[in-house]
Amino acid sequence: DAGVIQSPRHEVTEMGQEVTLRCKPISGHNSLFWYRQTMMRGLELLIYFNNNVPIDDSGMPEDRFSAKMPNASFSTLKIQPSEPRDSAVYFCASSWGQVRPQETQYFGPGTRLLVL
Amino acid sequence: AQTVTQSQPEMSVQEAETVTLSCTYDTSESDYYLFWYKQPPSRQMILVIRQEAYKQQNATENRFSVNFQKAAKSFSLKISDSQLGDAAMYFCAYMLGSGNTPLVFGKGTRLSVIA
Repeated sequence: DAGVIQSPRHEVTEMGQEVTLRCKPISGHNSLFWYRQTMMRGLELLIYFNNNVPIDDSGMPEDRFSAKMPNASFSTLKIQPSEPRDSAVYFCASSWGQVRPQETQYFGPGTRLLVL
Repeated sequence: AQTVTQSQPEMSVQEAETVTLSCTYDTSESDYYLFWYKQPPSRQMILVIRQEAYKQQNATENRFSVNFQKAAKSFSLKISDSQLGDAAMYFCAYMLGSGNTPLVFGKGTRLSVIA
């Protein structure tokens, strides 16, 4: 299995630009999570989906952030417009959560975002 | 809300020695899971070990073992025979047992291994 795939791995952009982060979960997994890691706040949940449906987006910082999961094999996290304080590592994780609720989450390699 | 606390921002250990990383958590739930994740400089999050709260037996994975004290809400990680490759950030995490819910992470402990 290829594991969770994220792209791009690194992104450098200027303030005000639109940024789109992409995630392909492990095949067969039905839950997908977006986390953000910063020095100040550590690892925090942004949003998660079960069966492509957003369940909890209370961690999304503000309206500049949006996430979609159009099908079971693809999700995007979009920031528009981006700001320097959005600079962080963004992780996508997936898991199998119905028949085996004890299944753990497997993380992608992360996208390191720098907004200048 | 559930919280996870790692009180040791940094730890160090001599190669081949044993080190214990501490973690406490706060929850009113009885059904949950606890995890330790390792994050090396590559930033990849790697699962080290997990513990189901309903199991009294402490989980072990080769050189890694946990001391799970449910009443005290404590979940420490012991690394035996430490190796240079164990140097990393270690995160303790909590997850509700019902349904598929997000992980709640502690702030992490940076482990250095001295040759």
